[in-house]
Amino acid sequence: DVKVTQSSRYLVKRTGEKVFLECVQDMDHENMFWYRQDPGLGLRLIYFSYDVKMKEKGDIPEGYSVSREKKERFSLILESASTNQTSMYLCASSVGTAFYGYTFGSGTRLTVV
Amino acid sequence: ELKVEQNPLFLSMQEGKNYTIYCNYSTTSDRLYWYRQDPGKSLESLFVLLSNGAVKQEGRLMASLDTKARLSTLHITAAVHDLSATYFCAVGNNNNDMRFGAGTRLTVKP
Repeated sequence: DVKVTQSSRYLVKRTGEKVFLECVQDMDHENMFWYRQDPGLGLRLIYFSYDVKMKEKGDIPEGYSVSREKKERFSLILESASTNQTSMYLCASSVGTAFYGYTFGSGTRLTVV
Repeated sequence: ELKVEQNPLFLSMQEGKNYTIYCNYSTTSDRLYWYRQDPGKSLESLFVLLSNGAVKQEGRLMASLDTKARLSTLHITAAVHDLSATYFCAVGNNNNDMRFGAGTRLTVKP
């Protein structure tokens, strides 16, 4: 069974902390994505990556960075967590053309206090 | 910039009734996706629509795509309680990413 695995289901962090959200896929997919999901706003794209060491900004990259050192792993980094980054974070992956859509991870609910 | 509008955002239906969810998008695309999300769960792929006029059906759900009108619909026939969930449409953008609508929270009542 193909999978996208997010390392934490729930996280609580303090304002100002550096936060790492990890995502691993076992499907040898080229593309990986990070979205945040907020009520009434749907999913908004933060960053994505086509290949190892490559990254592209999405619609809301401010306050975030990413790392993709290996094909199967895509990390989202909150450099200095703030309360407005409290959200559900979803990782997804797809094959090169993405014609058949994404496979999503189960999500990480992050609370910044 | 690609924008995706979905309506309604909330939909309360009685079992046995029919209804349609609409997804409009702002720029040309030939890829349209529908996903379902149950509370506390991740997104599950329902339909992939890749051409104008594409129609796909699975059980009580049918999705269609009109690329000229930049419109997709998700039609629900004879709703049952198990269909209660949030439904998202997503539109393929350049560079193999996609943009999502805000979601439609569907509640089916007995």
